[in-house]
Amino acid sequence: DAGVIQSPRHEVTEMGQEVTLRCKPISGHNSLFWYRQTMMRGLELLIYFNNNVPIDDSGMPEDRFSAKMPNASFSTLKIQPSEPRDSAVYFCASSPQGALNTEAFFGQGTRLTVV
Amino acid sequence: GESVGLHLPTLSVQEGDNSIINCAYSNSASDYFIWYKQESGKGPQFIIDIRSNMDKRQGQRVTVLLNKTVKHLSLQIAATQPGDSAVYFCAENYGGSQGNLIFGKGTKLSVKP
Repeated sequence: DAGVIQSPRHEVTEMGQEVTLRCKPISGHNSLFWYRQTMMRGLELLIYFNNNVPIDDSGMPEDRFSAKMPNASFSTLKIQPSEPRDSAVYFCASSPQGALNTEAFFGQGTRLTVV
Repeated sequence: GESVGLHLPTLSVQEGDNSIINCAYSNSASDYFIWYKQESGKGPQFIIDIRSNMDKRQGQRVTVLLNKTVKHLSLQIAATQPGDSAVYFCAENYGGSQGNLIFGKGTKLSVKP
């Protein structure tokens, strides 16, 4: 299994532009998570899905952020419009069980730089 | 809000020595804990987990200890190797759902040859 696949690995964009981050979870996993990592705030959970349905989006910083999961093998995190303070590494993770305590498998991350 | 914190932000050890990374958590309702390792440029990687009904769990060269009385978690790495150099995160889960996994800030472990 290739693990959780994220694209792009690096993204540099200008302030005000729309940014879309993509994630393919591990096949068979029914929970998917989006995290943001910065030096100041560490790893923050933005949103997670269970069986393609958003369960908790309380970590989404503001309306500029949105996430979708149209099917079990694909999810997107969109920022529109992007701002310099959105610069961070964004991780997608998946796990085989959403209701029981199990580990989450992380992708390599997308490093976003907004200038 | 409650959060997971770390006692030591950096730890430097000699190759072959044992390492101990500590973590304090504040939510007494947390029932599941995980240690992750993150190497530069990579995503966090699962090391070991422990549930609240246990005090100790051992893996290969790693041991996690849980002290619920003082809400303390530790990761012990035996015979530390250069490949163990990374940032280590503890994470706590409360509410019975993986989605409530809260991460600490991390401890950087440097292994000197």
